[in-house]
Amino acid sequence: AQSVTQLDSHVSVSEGTPVLLRCNYSSSYSPSLFWYVQHPNKGLQLLLKYTSAATLVKGINGFEAEFKKSETSFHLTKPSAHMSDAAEYFCVVSAPFSNDYKLSFGAGTTVTVRA
Amino acid sequence: NAGVTQTPKFQVLKTGQSMTLQCAQDMNHNSMYWYRQDPGMGLRLIYYSASEGTTDKGEVPNGYNVSRLNKREFSLRLESAAPSQTSVYFCASSESLPRPLMDEQYFGPGTRLTVT
Repeated sequence: AQSVTQLDSHVSVSEGTPVLLRCNYSSSYSPSLFWYVQHPNKGLQLLLKYTSAATLVKGINGFEAEFKKSETSFHLTKPSAHMSDAAEYFCVVSAPFSNDYKLSFGAGTTVTVRA
Repeated sequence: NAGVTQTPKFQVLKTGQSMTLQCAQDMNHNSMYWYRQDPGMGLRLIYYSASEGTTDKGEVPNGYNVSRLNKREFSLRLESAAPSQTSVYFCASSESLPRPLMDEQYFGPGTRLTVT
């Protein structure tokens, strides 16, 4: 079965300090992995995606994520948090499943940035 | 480009009423999707349309129907609304063929639906 677990429901950081959002997944096949961000009362926006090329993926706004197959993880990081990073972040996995494809969202991690 | 647009932004229904949520995209994408978002549960796929003329069930299709009207438009219908359908509904689109769920998706701003 395919699933996504975001290990922290809420992360609080100070402005200028690193951000780490953790995501573990399970999939029987080689997945595509995504991180999306949702600002309050907005739709989701893609931060970055992994599709079996480089394991270190760079995204928008200084975010990056590393695909670790041995650990089935796809953690999202940013070296220095900005106030505008306060939002909800979703890890998403998509992979072949039976004769179709299956898409699964994590429950989300809410990021608070302190001044 | 407007991207993905959804109407209405807000809606309040009484139990048993019906309504249709509208979605349109102007990016010439092949695939379109409907999700619901509930607190603590991420997004769950209701239905998707891999290409014009096709629709498939997602994770939570019960109580909903969809129509892919043309390449641009994908509507979601609640025939008899229930309080359990109170949620925020998002429409999305992606280029992706032949693998409709494996590609980056572009999301609309959402519709907040309350069923009393």
